[in-house]
Amino acid sequence: GQQLNQSPQSMFIQEGEDVSMNCTSSSIFNTWLWYKQDPGEGPVLLIALYKAGELTSNGRLTAQFGITRKDSFLNISASIPSDVGIYFCAGRVLYSGGGADGLTFGKGTHLIIQP
Amino acid sequence: DVKVTQSSRYLVKRTGEKVFLECVQDMDHENMFWYRQDPGLGLRLIYFSYDVKMKEKGDIPEGYSVSREKKERFSLILESASTNQTSMYLCATDSLRTGGSGYTFGSGTRLTVV
Repeated sequence: GQQLNQSPQSMFIQEGEDVSMNCTSSSIFNTWLWYKQDPGEGPVLLIALYKAGELTSNGRLTAQFGITRKDSFLNISASIPSDVGIYFCAGRVLYSGGGADGLTFGKGTHLIIQP
Repeated sequence: DVKVTQSSRYLVKRTGEKVFLECVQDMDHENMFWYRQDPGLGLRLIYFSYDVKMKEKGDIPEGYSVSREKKERFSLILESASTNQTSMYLCATDSLRTGGSGYTFGSGTRLTVV
């Protein structure tokens, strides 16, 4: 099945630095989601975006729904040790009649923070 | 909040054994999914179900089967476990009644086949 192109694959940063990652697709989505997976746990939803151009924040996290509807970006400001984990993007098409396609996932960005 | 419970966090099984991974959710979601997660490969869909007794193959169904006899429970079965099925297995649920905001995942089962 299709997968999104998520980059970078991994990031090694210093505590306090800002982080940026992105996801691109060859097809259009009307919903973009960002998940975080802590070590040894399942992914947890961080941010959901439903409109092209939308910019949404959740604490130090900010995500944007690209205008082309084929990409999305996640930024983390002033990283802290608990930000360590794998971040997944996911795209979805929701239909006006109430149906939806399943989620298409990126392969994840592995964030490692050096104190 | 939806709770998705996977029965085991860690399992060690022998090659050739029949293995059952159980997933139970408590919020009446109609859709349930099984993924496996391997380093560098991301999340790969094994099987999913849109309703009781319904099942659909995902991207990598070979060597697996599923059972959904009750709405809240979705079981993944490894008919004859092999070492290449050593992986992290994640169950997820979804309901379009909640606006399709995304899947809710369980905590995962890390399976080692020896």
